[in-house]
Amino acid sequence: TQLLEQSPQFLSIQEGENLTVYCNSSSVFSSLQWYRQEPGEGPVLLVTVVTGGEVKKLKRLTFQFGDARKDSSLHITAAQPGDTGLYLCAGRGGSNYKLTFGKGTLLTVNP
Amino acid sequence: DVKVTQSSRYLVKRTGEKVFLECVQDMDHENMFWYRQDPGLGLRLIYFSYDVKMKEKGDIPEGYSVSREKKERFSLILESASTNQTSMYLCATQLPGGLYGYTFGSGTRLTVV
Repeated sequence: TQLLEQSPQFLSIQEGENLTVYCNSSSVFSSLQWYRQEPGEGPVLLVTVVTGGEVKKLKRLTFQFGDARKDSSLHITAAQPGDTGLYLCAGRGGSNYKLTFGKGTLLTVNP
Repeated sequence: DVKVTQSSRYLVKRTGEKVFLECVQDMDHENMFWYRQDPGLGLRLIYFSYDVKMKEKGDIPEGYSVSREKKERFSLILESASTNQTSMYLCATQLPGGLYGYTFGSGTRLTVV
């Protein structure tokens, strides 16, 4: 069974601070995705990374896929209250259908 | 953009009732999924379907069944609801192929009393 461990589980910061959340596994994934979920809503896809070492930027968010394709990180620069939410990573192993989800990092950005 | 619509945002049902959760997509996505989301346990896959009338069990199929008679509609059925099925249920769709992400509905918060 492939598992994804996310850390930290909870993170509360002030507006303007930088932060990094992590997604780690002992398994290799062919691709990895990050989602953000706001309270009472379904997760929304932010990015897909495919190549080991790949870095993608989405405005103030920077996503990195580990060289061995076993881990990933999400860095947010100058966090804003609108960044508040549950950040989920999800990896695709051997199946074209199924994603394995981490349990998420709950981020709160205080004004 | 793909829209995934779940029929109810909130449901309250009694123990032993048969419960139907409906999910409809407005694009031609082959793959559809049902997950439940619980605090501390994350998202767990119940069932998925890769074509009409085709289905496969996920990680926690016990107590559930599914139906996919039309490509756009995927139903989750709780045969006899129990209190441990109180949860947030999320439907998702996906284009076939390994690089596409999921598009989720807004979820149904089910409470079984």
